[in-house]
Amino acid sequence: AQSVTQLGSHVSVSEGALVLLRCNYSSSVPPYLFWYVQYPNQGLQLLLKYTTGATLVKGINGFEAEFKKSETSFHLTKPSAHMSDAAEYFCAVSLNTGFQKLVFGTGTRLLVSP
Amino acid sequence: GAVVSQHPSRVICKSGTSVKIECRSLDFQATTMFWYRQFPKQSLMLMATSNEGSKATYEQGVEKDKFLINHASLTLSTLTVTSAHPEDSSFYICSAKSGTNSYNSPLHFGNGTRLTVT
Repeated sequence: AQSVTQLGSHVSVSEGALVLLRCNYSSSVPPYLFWYVQYPNQGLQLLLKYTTGATLVKGINGFEAEFKKSETSFHLTKPSAHMSDAAEYFCAVSLNTGFQKLVFGTGTRLLVSP
Repeated sequence: GAVVSQHPSRVICKSGTSVKIECRSLDFQATTMFWYRQFPKQSLMLMATSNEGSKATYEQGVEKDKFLINHASLTLSTLTVTSAHPEDSSFYICSAKSGTNSYNSPLHFGNGTRLTVT
């Protein structure tokens, strides 16, 4: 069975600082991995995804993530945080290959201070 | 881009009543829609997969008779919470897959519905 662990329910950074949100996964088959962002009282927006190929994936809003099979990780990073990045971030793995059922992590709330 | 509209965004109902939540794909046809439930400060839990023209597939532990799902057209799926109780209060989010070859098609999420049962 697939599962996702997000370390840290809250991460606080200063504006302009590096953002690092951690995600580790467990999967019995090659995973599809995703990062979603959720703003208050809204649905989820896809930031980026890893399916196959290049392990460093670039997404929207300057975010990127690297798939490291040996570490079973898919950490999300952004070189310089912006106030508008404050939101809830969810890592997810698909139960099957493709965009089928997703198993989400518990989420990490990113707080950005001026 | 593909847009999923979910309505209502907020609803308050009395215990024992039923509430219907709509999920519409506005500019694409969605053969498959997913319904999630999100508890406060927790992640999204998949409730069911809704396929147009057929019965929904429910996840283990989700009561079929309580959470009625109807996917009557390629652009509309509805979730009805029947005989709602305070413990049903939650944030419900739908998502839809775009593309005719939907296996690898991306998911598009609605903005969610905040249900409060008093």
